[in-house]
Parts: sequence; C-alpha cells; structure tokens
Amino acid sequence: DAKTTQPPSMDCAEGRAANLPCNHSTISGNEYVYWYRQIHSQGPQYIIHGLKNNETNEMASLIITEDRKSSTLILPHATLRDTAVYYCIVRVANNQGGKLIFGQGTELSVKP
Amino acid sequence: KAGVTQTPRYLIKTRGQQVTLSCSPISGHRSVSWYQQTPGQGLQFLFEYFSETQRNKGNFPGRFSGRQFSNSRSEMNVSTLELGDSALYLCASSFRTSTNNEQFFGPGTRLTVL
Repeated sequence: DAKTTQPPSMDCAEGRAANLPCNHSTISGNEYVYWYRQIHSQGPQYIIHGLKNNETNEMASLIITEDRKSSTLILPHATLRDTAVYYCIVRVANNQGGKLIFGQGTELSVKP
Repeated sequence: KAGVTQTPRYLIKTRGQQVTLSCSPISGHRSVSWYQQTPGQGLQFLFEYFSETQRNKGNFPGRFSGRQFSNSRSEMNVSTLELGDSALYLCASSFRTSTNNEQFFGPGTRLTVL
C-alpha cells in the first residue's frame, strides 16, 4: 500500500469549510483513497473513499487530482463535533479485507 | 442495527499475566480485524480473521494471537504481558466485499499493564 503524507494539525472556524489535504505520490492505479476519522477516545469512523472521480456523501466530499497524487477531504460546514484526527489511507479495494495502514493523520480543531 | 461491541471496555493487568479481549462484529459481517493504538506508534494492524481463518497478519510478536468463532465473534489473546502492551485495542468488522472495504470500528478495550 502506498504511503500518505498529511499535515499534523489544522484549525477551522465553525461553520466554514474544512479542507484537509493528503499527498500520495506513489499511489498505484488500483489503489483507492480512503478517509477515516477518530474522535477522541472512540474507534475510527469511515468517511468516504474514491478511486479517481470526485466523490460526495452526506458527511464529506473527496477531491482527487487528475494525476491521483494528492487529494482533499472537504467538510463543507464544519461543526465542533468534527474535531477529530483525520486519516488518509490508500489501499487496494478488493477482497483482501482488513489491514488498514494508518499514518499519523491530521488533527483538526474546529473552533467557535 | 447494533454496532461492533468489545468487552471489556477497560482492563488492568500486571506484567507476565495474559489477557483475552472479545469482539462481536456487526450482524452479517464475517471479517474481523484487530488494531493496537498507542501514543507512540499510533494505530497498528494486528491481524484479520475471515471465516474462522487468519487472513492477514501485522508485525507483532507471537505473544499476540487471535481466533474467530463460527458466529464471527473474535477474541484476541496477549500472553506474558509487558508494560508496552498498554494500549487501546480496537476491533473492526466488514463485509470484505470486492469493491468496498469499509471497516466499522468498535469503541475499543483500554488495557493497562502495571
């Protein structure tokens, strides 16, 4: 699985969009970009994943660059409850099941 | 639909003892993965079980072992506990499909080794 690079921390004002970047310059053609978050003292929570097209769900949007070497997770209207560590993970999405390789993630602080 | 449950939530042991942690996956999920989280090493994959067979294994010593039962419930065991085994142990379950490996995590078991 390719490695990812994320800024260690970011701040965001409540109600504003939070844009969390991730670099994955060694990503392979069959590897997806996954995002998870971990709110303090809880288990990680799946947010979204994508291959090369931009994706959106009820939680967030995922923008992947055309060369797939980087991506951005967008929380459109951040709330205080979005304060968490966000992990960007790249991996093959097939029947290989588990084994998520977590990096250090980005600690997002949403401030009032 | 009930989420992933882990028992116990908190555990205190002493060095040299052994411990067994339990994980009940979401109904219908057959894959169970285990992770260790420490402040220094972050989240690290331990192993994954699917249909009672270990399918993936992380880089942990043999003191860490696991098993899965026919109802998909899983247990992990750590023998001869060391101080460094103090951690949050997380369990995750998934359908293990070919297109989406979304993992659903439980709340974890906080193990303290004294």
